[in-house]
Amino acid sequence: ETGVTQTPRHLVMGMTNKKSLKCEQHLGHNAMYWYKQSAKKPLELMFVYSLEERVENNSVPSRFSPECPNSSHLFLHLHTLQPEDSALYLCASSQERLAGFNTGELFFGEGSRLTVL
Amino acid sequence: QKEVEQNSGPLSVPEGAIASLNCTYSDRGSQSFFWYRQYSGKSPELIMFIYSNGDKEDGRFTAQLNKASQYVSLLIRDSQPSDSATYLCAVSYNTDKLIFGTGTRLQVFP
Repeated sequence: ETGVTQTPRHLVMGMTNKKSLKCEQHLGHNAMYWYKQSAKKPLELMFVYSLEERVENNSVPSRFSPECPNSSHLFLHLHTLQPEDSALYLCASSQERLAGFNTGELFFGEGSRLTVL
Repeated sequence: QKEVEQNSGPLSVPEGAIASLNCTYSDRGSQSFFWYRQYSGKSPELIMFIYSNGDKEDGRFTAQLNKASQYVSLLIRDSQPSDSATYLCAVSYNTDKLIFGTGTRLQVFP
């Protein structure tokens, strides 16, 4: 099993659809993240979970709803998205929450490429 | 607003040359600095991190940090075509956040 797996790899949805992205990590890590990667923009942190508790919501619109049922799984539920939400959504995990002087090593999944029509 | 700036490139270097990638950051409170490599169509992976002023070497890679000037750089010696990728600079501030730059695309040609 690879470290962090994401499904689906590609998703096309209409603005009225409801879909979910799934992430699973096999590394025994305690923290998981959702990032958004758009062309010519920096990686944007969306959500942080530590030991299944959400610790950061980076002012993300409510049409994105995260869920972390356990420390190995993370979901991003999508509802009534806009075309500007089309992007690569990356899930990542780290041993512990990133704070201060640590390796800052995030382990990323391959991403889910989302297109909103 | 905390920002991390990188030249988007592409930076083109011949095989065997030294590639120099630069990054500046806006907040003097920054504590930790990271370089991630992202191959086209793949996810980012950590290649170097540095906390203290000066140089840190790991194989063909050297990270350089100058906190007074607020810049961090990555040198790749003996560049190989397999080094062709986008290099992301990231900075942390003693929080859960890593602030990423937009990345510099490196092309190493034979």
